[in-house]
Amino acid sequence: DGGITQSPKYLFRKEGQNVTLSCEQNLNHDAMYWYRQDPGQGLRLIYYSQIVNDFQKGDIAEGYSVSREKKESFPLTVTSAQKNPTAFYLCASSIRGQGGGELFFGEGSRLTVL
Amino acid sequence: QKEVEQNSGPLSVPEGAIASLNCTYSDRVSQSFFWYRQYSGKSPELIMSIYSNGDKEDGRFTAQLNKASQYVSLLIRDSQPSDSATYLCAVNMNSGGSNYKLTFGKGTLLTVNP
Repeated sequence: DGGITQSPKYLFRKEGQNVTLSCEQNLNHDAMYWYRQDPGQGLRLIYYSQIVNDFQKGDIAEGYSVSREKKESFPLTVTSAQKNPTAFYLCASSIRGQGGGELFFGEGSRLTVL
Repeated sequence: QKEVEQNSGPLSVPEGAIASLNCTYSDRVSQSFFWYRQYSGKSPELIMSIYSNGDKEDGRFTAQLNKASQYVSLLIRDSQPSDSATYLCAVNMNSGGSNYKLTFGKGTLLTVNP
């Protein structure tokens, strides 16, 4: 079955540590995205990529980094520079890029900083 | 700052009633509008997209778009307890030149009471 796989689903980290969230899709979509969701808040865009080896910052990119070396994979690193990293992180993909809007989401990764 | 506004709710309706969810947006040139459903603790899933003024029906769901008034709504007929979720409105807004960015509202929590 086609879909988006995020791992890990739950992650605990100590302050000052970097952590990498995995996102893999087998939908053959060109565009991939990372969103962050805080309780009672909408989704905020961290980074997006419309093609391999290219990505752009979203609204809240500070303290995060990404890579897009393969079409299927778009990992997100939450660095120690991110001041409030505890959140629900969602990876998504779409057939078209930001000109579209029909996103397919993974199940999410819930990060807690202790 | 281009925004998408939704009443946070909760909106409570009895089983079998019509639930009406509303969304307003600030960018007059927006062309694409989407409704996502998000169950508690889960990731969002796309349930409706609408691009032209008027109504679009899909089963028990009807999306309504009025570009002149800059609002989009979602009607759920014959509401079921399984419809209880947060509904996110998303609008593709122009972010400069030919670039568009999907902006999410904070969502409306719908509770359908048996």
